[in-house]
Amino acid sequence: KNQVEQSPQSLIILEGKNCTLQCNYTVSPFSNLRWYKQDTGRGPVSLTIMTFSENTKSNGRYTATLDADTKQSSLHITASQLSDSASYICVVSPHPGYALNFGKGTSLLVTP
Amino acid sequence: DSGVTQTPKHLITATGQRVTLRCSPRSGDLSVYWYQQSLDQGLQFLIQYYNGEERAKGNILERFSAQQFPDLHSELNLSSLELGDSALYFCASSVGTGSSYNEQFFGPGTRLTVL
Repeated sequence: KNQVEQSPQSLIILEGKNCTLQCNYTVSPFSNLRWYKQDTGRGPVSLTIMTFSENTKSNGRYTATLDADTKQSSLHITASQLSDSASYICVVSPHPGYALNFGKGTSLLVTP
Repeated sequence: DSGVTQTPKHLITATGQRVTLRCSPRSGDLSVYWYQQSLDQGLQFLIQYYNGEERAKGNILERFSAQQFPDLHSELNLSSLELGDSALYFCASSVGTGSSYNEQFFGPGTRLTVL
């Protein structure tokens, strides 16, 4: 069973709208949680990295939140743009330095 | 451009064959990671090397092997290829290990097709 579950599997929104992607994990112990953006056919690009002591981290229009008690994280995208269309992957690391547990990603499509 | 380079970009081969994928990390990065991404599986961590030494192992098959050379580039060798090995193979690099903020930078990937 995957230790990192993401929802929804896919999402379609209109340009300019906001959206929130969810990540639930069971990885323990927990070192850090990362969100990556992956355009089709390209390598993932890091958006945010949070340790267990951080509740929120922003990167432009992307804001990630973390609740280490409930083992939940979310990625909020504000004022979506067509270029936000991509897969968003949640990654949880049990040990500092390397990521081992990947979610399957949420596929986001932003339409005009 | 992440600074991580991978060659070749595409590779088409037959079942039973052996291939080698190559990765050059970002300048100054000592760690190299290999990942496999299939359509239905998402990203799977295979193996990590740090300064020439194997550091961590994930879901890597016995038919697969890797190494990191003194100049820090890495090669992933896949042998006795099966249809199910068709996937995108990514290499990532980072400065080191041991820090929670040890960000990994991914290369553009090698698309392997086994016919």
